[in-house]
Amino acid sequence: DAGVTQSPTHLIKTRGQHVTLRCSPISGHKSVSWYQQVLGQGPQFIFQYYEKEERGRGNFPDRFSARQFPNYSSELNVNALLLGDSALYLCASSLASNTGELFFGEGSRLTVL
Amino acid sequence: AQKITQTQPGMFVQEKEAVTLDCTYDTSDPSYGLFWYKQPSSGEMIFLIYQGSYDQQNATEGRYSLNFQKARKSANLVISASQLGDSAMYFCAMRLDQTGANNLFFGTGTRLTVIP
Repeated sequence: DAGVTQSPTHLIKTRGQHVTLRCSPISGHKSVSWYQQVLGQGPQFIFQYYEKEERGRGNFPDRFSARQFPNYSSELNVNALLLGDSALYLCASSLASNTGELFFGEGSRLTVL
Repeated sequence: AQKITQTQPGMFVQEKEAVTLDCTYDTSDPSYGLFWYKQPSSGEMIFLIYQGSYDQQNATEGRYSLNFQKARKSANLVISASQLGDSAMYFCAMRLDQTGANNLFFGTGTRLTVIP
């Protein structure tokens, strides 16, 4: 069975641009969470969606938004990119909405120049 | 505020030996879960072990065990019989049950290197 897949794996953007990151959860998983991992730090929670509804939101500005589609895949959008948005963006899926046993993808590494 | 502290930036262990990775946490919530994840160089986070705040016994999963000391607010990971493939970053994380969400608070991690 396929694990969590994310695309693109690497991308380079310039300040002020917009980026869309995509995630496909494990088949049967209805919850998708997004985390940002800055170099040298642990992941930081951005959003969680379960059954297409937002279940949680971390301490991130409104430039960050996400949505979940009927097939449970998800997109993370970041507007007006800043240098500080450079990070590994991890997507995680799970069966339940309130479990810490998450299945992560390999991430999308975003570099903002 | 919730906080996870991992004070060991790096650890070395000889192959086949045991190693303990330290984790302390801070929360005033009575119901929470503690997790350990492994992150190889590929980037994905791999779930290792879970301990609930009301669990009476320490969690074990194969070569992994969690030394849970609630009064000291510590949740150390013990890896027995280390293997070369255990070399990776290890993150301790906490989830507050009241949130009803998959919001994990992660520490800064410990880089484990297994020496042949």
